[in-house]
Amino acid sequence: AQSVTQLDSQVPVFEEAPVELRCNYSSSVSVYLFWYVQYPNQGLQLLLKYLSGSTLVKGINGFEAEFNKSQTSFHLRKPSVHISDTAEYFCAVRLETSGSRLTFGEGTQLTVNP
Amino acid sequence: DADVTQTPRNRITKTGKRIMLECSQTKGHDRMYWYRQDPGLGLRLIYYSFDVKDINKGEISDGYSVSRQAQAKFSLSLESAIPNQTALYFCATSDRDYQETQYFGPGTRLLVL
Repeated sequence: AQSVTQLDSQVPVFEEAPVELRCNYSSSVSVYLFWYVQYPNQGLQLLLKYLSGSTLVKGINGFEAEFNKSQTSFHLRKPSVHISDTAEYFCAVRLETSGSRLTFGEGTQLTVNP
Repeated sequence: DADVTQTPRNRITKTGKRIMLECSQTKGHDRMYWYRQDPGLGLRLIYYSFDVKDINKGEISDGYSVSRQAQAKFSLSLESAIPNQTALYFCATSDRDYQETQYFGPGTRLLVL
């Protein structure tokens, strides 16, 4: 079975600082990887996804993530954050063989302070 | 108008009561899902449906049941609510294609007293 671990439950940063949210997964088969964002009192929306091809994936709002197969990681990065990026971020994995079922990590609360 | 809607948005109920959460979508997707979100646990899959005649259990289906009334409607029921079912519940949909991105509703916050 696959699992997803988000290594930091809370990440506080100052505005305009860079940020990295870490995600590791375990799976014995090929995976598809996703990052979702949840703003306060809202549902989840897709930030970016890795399905195949280039391992550097660019998403909305200036976020990007890099798929590293050897380290089984899919860390999310942004070079300069804004107050409006304050939200909870979820990493998720879908097995190539599991249909469309997603397994989510525990979530990372990103708080951007002025 | 939102593509995935959930009703109610908030609900308080008592232990032992039956409750239904409803989800509707206008995206025309075949696949629908119910998740619950608990702090520190992320989202966990309760049930999913790949079409009207296909219902599958997720990782935490005990205490829940579902009904797929139409392609656009997927309801989650708690037959006899208990306090540890207090959580935020999300419905999601996806299309039957290679990318299968899931689209989420706004959530239903349920409190079981």
